[in-house]
Amino acid sequence: DADVTQTPRNRITKTGKRIMLECSQTKGHDRMYWYRQDPGLGLRLIYYSFDVKDINKGEISDGYSVSRQAQAKFSLSLESAIPNQTALYFCATSDFGSPGPIYNEQFFGPGTRLTVL
Amino acid sequence: AQKVTQAQTEISVVEKEDVTLDCVYETRDTTYYLFWYKQPPSGELVFLIRRNSFDEQNEISGRYSWNFQKSTSSFNFTITASQVVDSAVYFCALSETNSNSGYALNFGKGTSLLVTP
Repeated sequence: DADVTQTPRNRITKTGKRIMLECSQTKGHDRMYWYRQDPGLGLRLIYYSFDVKDINKGEISDGYSVSRQAQAKFSLSLESAIPNQTALYFCATSDFGSPGPIYNEQFFGPGTRLTVL
Repeated sequence: AQKVTQAQTEISVVEKEDVTLDCVYETRDTTYYLFWYKQPPSGELVFLIRRNSFDEQNEISGRYSWNFQKSTSSFNFTITASQVVDSAVYFCALSETNSNSGYALNFGKGTSLLVTP
């Protein structure tokens, strides 16, 4: 089973609709991230969370909100979707325990392809 | 300002050729991490390597090799004897320890590699 899962994998919605993208992880990591990928722009940080009570805005948080329901779950919401939010969305987790082989490595989910019409 | 620059937007090679993907980064941190990810046409992100700023030793993994040079702020990636399966978008990324983004990754815009038979 995948360590980081995202649901849905694909979603088509209409302008003005509220939509939630969900991310779950079984890695036991405290840190979770949401990134957005647009063609030719690489990935950009939307929000990140150090733990359930610590949520922070990233580079492009406008138009998005998040919820960390538990250590293992981090959801991204678009309150009122607009066409320029059409993108590939990735969730990631990382471990900041004792330095070791996976220290500071980010583990990515499979991505959610969102289309806003 | 872009912290990670991948100047090559697209590269096309013929199978069995060697190819180098360039990555130049910018940071004021003394401790940081550099990454390479592969994104095949299916869309998932595949982790290739992580390197911390104190480890300038070059690394080889099969047909892949990485050249990290702090003096030129570069972390280049070479594929030897390229294969069609290497066709993908490759991302270089930087994680800074003193940033205000929770150690999130700053991605370059990616280099699209096409290997033809």
